[in-house]
Amino acid sequence: GAGVSQSPSNKVTEKGKDVELRCDPISGHTALYWYRQSLGQGLEFLIYFQGNSAPDKSGLPSDRFSAERTGGSVSTLTIQRTQQEDSAVYLCASSFSGGAGGANVLTFGAGSRLTVL
Amino acid sequence: GDSVTQMEGPVTLSEEAFLTINCTYTATGYPSLFWYVQYPGEGLQLLLKATKADDKGSNKGFEATYRKETTSFHLEKGSVQVSDSAVYFCALWDTGRRALTFGSGTRLQVQP
Repeated sequence: GAGVSQSPSNKVTEKGKDVELRCDPISGHTALYWYRQSLGQGLEFLIYFQGNSAPDKSGLPSDRFSAERTGGSVSTLTIQRTQQEDSAVYLCASSFSGGAGGANVLTFGAGSRLTVL
Repeated sequence: GDSVTQMEGPVTLSEEAFLTINCTYTATGYPSLFWYVQYPGEGLQLLLKATKADDKGSNKGFEATYRKETTSFHLEKGSVQVSDSAVYFCALWDTGRRALTFGSGTRLQVQP
């Protein structure tokens, strides 16, 4: 697509429920990233995919968080048994390549705002 | 690990004032450096970047120069407009994580 698409744009859920957040990257972008932006905070790196593979999952805040990517395209971030501290905007980004190239530029989606009551 | 420190906001300026937002970094080697901007209600957008020491990134009247001696990448604009009101994020490319590491962001409010 023309840009990075995320859904839902807003999600309100009750504590303890599971949620799934979806990211559809720019067509042809092999690298995909998830970040979390909490109120008044910076951007916290969660996970990175190169193709369907995530080399490093250590940025995920807890074992309630998981992410997958299929077909080298769409990615899903799943949060199980949500807690109030999970409330944040979850941002997805993609780039043409995930290498260490200095010109690497990430294109971000508009984000999914999660509110846990 | 690599990190980015930027000045806390909010920064409030009058239209046509000079803007500086400070950004310093800690990293192994000389990472590529970026400024991203988040306008109200919108997603993050790349504003400018520099890939090596002494490079100057520029866009929309904004400039930032990669200074390895001071490990800094300060954002400047000679004359701000109301439309520049946004949150500005400094970032570096973390080669270990293969991802961007961001500063905490600086909110700029420009008053007419």
